[in-house]
Amino acid sequence: DVKVTQSSRYLVKRTGEKVFLECVQDMDHENMFWYRQDPGLGLRLIYFSYDVKMKEKGDIPEGYSVSREKKERFSLILESASTNQTSMYLCATDEGADTQYFGPGTRLTVL
Amino acid sequence: GENVEQHPSTLSVQEGDSAVIKCTYSDSASNYFPWYKQELGKRPQLIIDIRSNVGEKKDQRIAVTLNKTAKHFSLHITETQPEDSAVYFCAASNGNAGNMLTFGGGTRLMVKP
Repeated sequence: DVKVTQSSRYLVKRTGEKVFLECVQDMDHENMFWYRQDPGLGLRLIYFSYDVKMKEKGDIPEGYSVSREKKERFSLILESASTNQTSMYLCATDEGADTQYFGPGTRLTVL
Repeated sequence: GENVEQHPSTLSVQEGDSAVIKCTYSDSASNYFPWYKQELGKRPQLIIDIRSNVGEKKDQRIAVTLNKTAKHFSLHITETQPEDSAVYFCAASNGNAGNMLTFGGGTRLMVKP
């Protein structure tokens, strides 16, 4: 079974704070993804990575950055959190073919 | 880029009835169409997918159909049960760029016992 874990289930931060969300997978998958999920908007891709130190912008990268120093770990960084970044953040991974496996999600609230 | 639209946004059916969720996509190069189910408080999980070289795929009570000409695909659930209640997402991918998926907005399905 693929296991994808995220560092926090719930997080509350203040406007302007730097926020780190971490995702770890145990299946040696090449590809890792960060999405945000908002009602009615589905899952929107923020960034993805297809290898260590490689990253590609998704549909909504503004205000976010990512880091992938090790194959199993993919971090999402909010340099200066804003209230419009309050959302559910989902990490996913795949081995380049079909199924994406999702983490449990982090519900981030920015006050 | 790809754009995926999903309808309806909410769907309520009586237990035992069928449910149909429809999606349209814009990029004719898309060739992979998965469906994910997300139960309340849980992570999305793949339930069925279809590739552009087939028109229909079935797995027990769920089926997916694809019309490449019209660029739309649908999820069909027969004999619905309360445990089918969830949010369903369709997605599309052209298989390039690390299997980047574009998701629809989601459909909240409620099955009333």
